[in-house]
Amino acid sequence: SQQGEEDPQALSIQEGENATMNCSYKTSINNLQWYRQNSGRGLVHLILIRSNEREKHSGRLRVTLDTSKKSSSLLITASRAADTASYFCATAPFTGGGNKLTFGTGTQLKVEL
Amino acid sequence: SAVISQKPSRDICQRGTSLTIQCQVDSQVTMMFWYRQQPGQSLTLIATANQGSEATYESGFVIDKFPISRPNLTFSTLTVSNMSPEDSSIYLCSVVTENSYEQYFGPGTRLTVT
Repeated sequence: SQQGEEDPQALSIQEGENATMNCSYKTSINNLQWYRQNSGRGLVHLILIRSNEREKHSGRLRVTLDTSKKSSSLLITASRAADTASYFCATAPFTGGGNKLTFGTGTQLKVEL
Repeated sequence: SAVISQKPSRDICQRGTSLTIQCQVDSQVTMMFWYRQQPGQSLTLIATANQGSEATYESGFVIDKFPISRPNLTFSTLTVSNMSPEDSSIYLCSVVTENSYEQYFGPGTRLTVT
């Protein structure tokens, strides 16, 4: 399996704090995506960063990508209780099967009031 | 974007039986995927559902166990055959819209096999 690793596996913070999750992967990629999953339901796409990009922002989300280290991080600023969910990174291969995603192990985020 | 529905949302089945899961999209899409998420685990791709041809299965998944149909560009089914408790998982379908890498997921089907 080429599944990526995410750390931490679980993260508990207070509302208003920032949350940082890291993702490492093994092969060359076309892009890396982050998804959120609430309570075992369907996944929601958060942000996509291409292999030639180093940083991307979307609202309270900031994603970085370091292809030399094969790693990415997701930063959620000013967290809210509604951000409580599991977060997964997913990579799309550089060659062939460009839409086939390989998901990381996930980080369970809990934001407490 | 795309809106995806799945039926059933959950089911409890006896071992040895089969369950067919439906995935309906509100627009025509070229690529549809089926994933499995075992309890407390990440998602694993089962297969790519190809319209008008056989599905393309990932390593570890076979057509006899997970037959897939894709009769048109808005609908697909996944059957979990001859179920065992190890098949207890959430099964999710997803789609990719034209000129995009983002995947849109259905709400999932939570299957429990007793």
